[in-house]
Amino acid sequence: QKEVEQDPGPLSVPEGAIVSLNCTYSNSAFQYFMWYRQYSRKGPELLMYTYSSGNKEDGRFTAQVDKSSKYISLFIRDSQPSDSATYLCAFSGGYQKVTFGTGTKLQVIP
Amino acid sequence: DTAVSQTPKYLVTQMGNDKSIKCEQNLGHDTMYWYKQDSKKFLKIMFSYNNKELIINETVPNRFSPKSPDKAHLNLHINSLELGDSAVYFCASSQPPGTSGYTDTQYFGPGTRLTVL
Repeated sequence: QKEVEQDPGPLSVPEGAIVSLNCTYSNSAFQYFMWYRQYSRKGPELLMYTYSSGNKEDGRFTAQVDKSSKYISLFIRDSQPSDSATYLCAFSGGYQKVTFGTGTKLQVIP
Repeated sequence: DTAVSQTPKYLVTQMGNDKSIKCEQNLGHDTMYWYKQDSKKFLKIMFSYNNKELIINETVPNRFSPKSPDKAHLNLHINSLELGDSAVYFCASSQPPGTSGYTDTQYFGPGTRLTVL
């Protein structure tokens, strides 16, 4: 079983749609849960970060963590063409080694 | 003001050559990393340095040698380049554990796109 599983997509949605991106993980030692956004030909940038189960909201973005199911999600409300990017889930056990998902490519159509 | 910078941005070279990539961060972080991102966008850690000391050394060929002259700089030297080394190499930095507000989040540079012909 892979340590992190993420659907690579691509995911294509119309502008204004709600987007749901998901990852599952198998390592119980993970305690930090992150989402990075990577635009084409750019470095990943941190979008959301959490360390507890439940929801964390930041503007149009909501990160959800379910530690019992080892499942994390990122929701994007009112998606915009500028949200078109690859979204990487990331996990850490707190020892500076971050494990990334393979990324989901999202395209928001105007 | 650029937080994590890398040079060069693009690197095209022949098989068998030796090349270096440089990274600098002005965030005041103690920890720096090198990642390799392949054509399928999979981002894999290669090395991590904490205040000039190597702390993570994943299964990477000996042809790859990181060097950290000070905590703000981490360079990557690659000997005898092979076709399979073609990828985008990202430098990143973060605060070390124990730092106030430590979150293990990493700040990435713009990447160096290496093409080996």
